[in-house]
Amino acid sequence: EAGVAQSPRYKIIEKRQSVAFWCNPISGHATLYWYQQILGQGPKLLIQFQNNGVVDDSQLPKDRFSAERLKGVDSTLKIQPAKLEDSAVYLCASSLSGVEANVLTFGAGSRLTVL
Amino acid sequence: SQQGEEDPQALSIQEGENATMNCSYKTSINNLQWYRQNSGRGLVHLILIRSNEREKHSGRLRVTLDTSKKSSSLLITASRAADTASYFCATAAGNKLTFGGGTRVLVKP
Repeated sequence: EAGVAQSPRYKIIEKRQSVAFWCNPISGHATLYWYQQILGQGPKLLIQFQNNGVVDDSQLPKDRFSAERLKGVDSTLKIQPAKLEDSAVYLCASSLSGVEANVLTFGAGSRLTVL
Repeated sequence: SQQGEEDPQALSIQEGENATMNCSYKTSINNLQWYRQNSGRGLVHLILIRSNEREKHSGRLRVTLDTSKKSSSLLITASRAADTASYFCATAAGNKLTFGGGTRVLVKP
């Protein structure tokens, strides 16, 4: 079974520039998550999709972050304009619906450095 | 905000020793999960314990849950160098999973 695919693995940009991350979840997984993990901390949920609808985006800084999940499969997370404090690893995860809905499979992450 | 808080933040042990880490949380949960993260990698699910369970085993892992104290522990027995990683507890409430800050474990050969 293929895992959760993310790209790019690494990105370096200057502040005020924009960046986009892509995620392809495990086939058949209805729920997709984007987490932000700052160095030395645990992952923080940014946005959660069920199919192509948003379940929770309460911690997404909507003035600069946006995310979409077209056709309920792939997802993109965009940051525009980036700030220094956005330097982090952006983790995408997916899960089945139903009783196993909360067991997440993570991708390797996209590491963002904002200079 | 992070629901779970792990203790200790860091742990250094010799190969063959046991490693124990604890997680405390604040609100009611459906289940509690533990994940491992190797350096530079994504998180890997280790074990899930439901709110009506008190103890669960998986290989060298043993997890306990005390809902009255809102706490859980993860025990890794007979540790190996490959167990060097960060370990995170995550609490599930509804369809939302919230992670703690993690325990960094170093297993010295």
